[in-house]
Amino acid sequence: KAGVTQTPRYLIKTRGQQVTLSCSPISGHRSVSWYQQTPGQGLQFLFEYFSETQRNKGNFPGRFSGRQFSNSRSEMNVSTLELGDSALYLCASSWGRGRGQETQYFGPGTRLLVL
Amino acid sequence: KQEVTQIPAALSVPEGENLVLNCSFTDSAIYNLQWFRQDPGKGLTSLLLIQSSQREQTSGRLNASLDKSSGRSTLYIAASQPGDSATYLCAVPDQTGANNLFFGTGTRLTVIP
Repeated sequence: KAGVTQTPRYLIKTRGQQVTLSCSPISGHRSVSWYQQTPGQGLQFLFEYFSETQRNKGNFPGRFSGRQFSNSRSEMNVSTLELGDSALYLCASSWGRGRGQETQYFGPGTRLLVL
Repeated sequence: KQEVTQIPAALSVPEGENLVLNCSFTDSAIYNLQWFRQDPGKGLTSLLLIQSSQREQTSGRLNASLDKSSGRSTLYIAASQPGDSATYLCAVPDQTGANNLFFGTGTRLTVIP
C-alpha cells in the first residue's frame, strides 16, 4: 500500500510570491491534515480537511489556505510569501474518525525556502 | 490550550544502553498519545499509539507508558542501536474532537557506536 506522498519535495521562492503544495493520502483515507515545522516553533497544525470540507483550522493568517478534492488529494496554498514561511510542510492522512482516535500517517514533507 | 513538553531536548548514549524519553502534557483529559520518530529532514513515522484506557503499549524494543492523572508518558528504548538515532516526538489530539495533534518539542537522540 503506497504511503502519503507530497510534491514537490523542495521549493525555493522569493518574498511576495505564492506557492502551492500537494499531498496525496493513503488510499481510502479521507482526512488530510497539514502541519508546519520550524526550528523555533516546532510542529504546528495548519488545517484539516475531511470529505472536501475544512474541519478544523490552526492559528495561522489567511495567507495560508487549502482545499481537498473528491479523491481526497489536498493542496495548500501560501500567498504573499514571507521569510518566516520557510519551513518543512508536512501532511498527514487518516481514515478521519476524528478526536485523534487513530494513527496518522505522515508524508516526507515539502521543504520550502523563501529568499 | 494543550501544551506538550519533552525532556531532555537532546540525549547521547552509547550503543546497547537502555534509555527513557519523557513527555508531559498540561490537560490530562486526552483520548490517546502517540510517539513518533523523525529522521533529519524527513517526515514522521508513527511508533506507538497508546489509548487513554491503556497504561502501556509495546512494539519490539519500544515500550510506551501513559499516566493520565499526572500528565506524563515515557518511551522506553531497550538495547539502543545507532539506527535509533533520530528525533522522537510525542503528540496528543485536540480535545475538542478535531483531528489535529499537539506536538511536543522533541528529544534528539544520538546513539554512539
